[in-house]
Amino acid sequence: DAGVIQSPRHEVTEMGQEVTLRCKPISGHDYLFWYRQTMMRGLELLIYFNNNVPIDDSGMPEDRFSAKMPNASFSTLKIQPSEPRDSAVYFCATRRGNGNTIYFGEGSWLTVV
Amino acid sequence: ELKVEQNPLFLSMQEGKNYTIYCNYSTTSDRLYWYRQDPGKSLESLFVLLSNGAVKQEGRLMASLDTKARLSTLHITAAVHDLSATYFCAVVPLLGTYKYIFGTGTRLKVLA
Repeated sequence: DAGVIQSPRHEVTEMGQEVTLRCKPISGHDYLFWYRQTMMRGLELLIYFNNNVPIDDSGMPEDRFSAKMPNASFSTLKIQPSEPRDSAVYFCATRRGNGNTIYFGEGSWLTVV
Repeated sequence: ELKVEQNPLFLSMQEGKNYTIYCNYSTTSDRLYWYRQDPGKSLESLFVLLSNGAVKQEGRLMASLDTKARLSTLHITAAVHDLSATYFCAVVPLLGTYKYIFGTGTRLKVLA
């Protein structure tokens, strides 16, 4: 079974550009989480979905960030406009409804210059 | 706001030695998770602890949970170089949410 698939793996963009990160969850997993990891702030939960519905977005840093899950197989995290302080690794993670463990993707390494 | 703290943040130890990493959390929970992250890699699940007194062991690692003290420990026995990584604990609050809140991480370096 394929794991959580994220794209792009690496992205370098200029300040002010729009960035879209993508995630394909493990089949059958109905919870999806977006995390951001930086040296200064560690692993921060940005938002999570259950059955494609956003449940808690209290960790989304500001209006420049938005996340969607149009169907059970796909989610996006968008930053518009991007700023240098958004540089981080963004992880997508998923779990089954009756499971416990969350499984992480390989991450998207974002650098905003 | 739930806080999850780990100590130490950094740990350098000799091969063959024993050590313990501590994870304290600030709210009621009966679900605690340990993950490992190698440099530049994703997070890998190590242990799931689901009740007070739970103990899990895998190889040289043993994790335990004391929900009354709001404390989990990750004990390393006879460390080997391959255990060098960053270890995270994560907690899910008891009150009907699925917010996995991660600790600060402990960066472990095992010296040969």
